[in-house]
Amino acid sequence: QKEVEQNSGPLSVPEGAIASLNCTYSDRGSQSFFWYRQYSGKSPELIMSIYSNGDKEDGRFTAQLNKASQYVSLLIRDSQPSDSATYLCAVRRGSSNTGKLIFGQGTTLQVKP
Amino acid sequence: EAGVVQSPRYKIIEKKQPVAFWCNPISGHNTLYWYRQNLGQGPELLIRYENEEAVDDSQLPKDRFSAERLKGVDSTLKIQPAELGDSAVYLCASSSGNEQFFGPGTRLTVL
Repeated sequence: QKEVEQNSGPLSVPEGAIASLNCTYSDRGSQSFFWYRQYSGKSPELIMSIYSNGDKEDGRFTAQLNKASQYVSLLIRDSQPSDSATYLCAVRRGSSNTGKLIFGQGTTLQVKP
Repeated sequence: EAGVVQSPRYKIIEKKQPVAFWCNPISGHNTLYWYRQNLGQGPELLIRYENEEAVDDSQLPKDRFSAERLKGVDSTLKIQPAELGDSAVYLCASSSGNEQFFGPGTRLTVL
């Protein structure tokens, strides 16, 4: 079992719809959770971080964390073609705020006009 | 504020040749990371520095890979000799707290 798992997709949604991206992790000691967006041929760009159970909203993005279920999700409202990218879930174990990130393989999102 | 700077952006070498990558982190970021990303996968940590000290190099293939961060600012990652399986994108990231920010990466092709 991989430590961080994502469905590789592609996930295809029409423009204006809600895209839901999911991630599960195996280490219950994980404390910090991140979503990165990666356009083809580019490096990962941090879009959301979440540290406690519940929802965190930033513009069209909402991150959801459920530590009991070891589950993190990212919702993108009013999806735009420019949101088409690979979304990487990353998890950090323990309390150190500079420890390494464990990444999933990413979910490819396609937003169709 | 300038982001993480990496060079070169692309490198093509033949197997058994040496190669070096350079990274300058965001100003004031004490923690520097080197990750490797294979096609279709997420990045995987190679080494982490806190200032000039390597605090996590457990996944660095030490027979051929080396890294340094002598003055606690910029860093160099070296591969000698390179193998075909080293073809990947080498990403440098830095942080001063909870969040890590990536540079543009160096795409290495070993022929």
